[in-house]
Amino acid sequence: ETGVTQSPTHLIKTRGQQVTLRCSSQSGHNTVSWYQQALGQGPQFIFQYYREEENGRGNFPPRFSGLQFPNYSSELNVNALELDDSALYLCASSLSGVGEQFFGPGTRLTVL
Amino acid sequence: QKEVEQDPGPLSVPEGAIVSLNCTYSNSAFQYFMWYRQYSRKGPELLMYTYSSGNKEDGRFTAQVDKSSKYISLFIRDSQPSDSATYLCAKGGNKLVFGAGTILRVKS
Repeated sequence: ETGVTQSPTHLIKTRGQQVTLRCSSQSGHNTVSWYQQALGQGPQFIFQYYREEENGRGNFPPRFSGLQFPNYSSELNVNALELDDSALYLCASSLSGVGEQFFGPGTRLTVL
Repeated sequence: QKEVEQDPGPLSVPEGAIVSLNCTYSNSAFQYFMWYRQYSRKGPELLMYTYSSGNKEDGRFTAQVDKSSKYISLFIRDSQPSDSATYLCAKGGNKLVFGAGTILRVKS
């Protein structure tokens, strides 16, 4: 059984650019949640996808968007990057919307 | 008031000590709680998952929920240097709400 994987591990972008982060859920899990973790803070919920539909969204602007594919993998897209978007982006998968969530290693995004 | 509050520490203890990590939460409707451990530059690792009040034990770890005071705790017995990490408490559900995390340092 493979765990949650994320790509890339880290990347550097400049302000105003767009970025796509990818996540593969743990085998058998149909739900993916995305979180943003700023340095020294706990993760903040961005949104969740359950069976390819958005199933809840946190307090993030519309330039944060996502997709879930039929194999339950997921993408997080961020447009018009701002300096404050620099953070560790975490993906978590679960068996259902409210089940235990298992995290991937994260993608560290730096915006210059 | 934040939904989940946690003292960021750092908390420094000698090897072998009993560690107590604590969080408070604001909404009495919360029922599910989790504790995650996060090593530097890694994703959080699920340690304990508890429902409602009472204790749950797993090896050296015990999670405790006191709904009357809206207080959740994680106890680590016989702490080891490898336990040095950031410990995050979270309210469960589809949207996890995390505390800020407590940095723990176990000195050998």
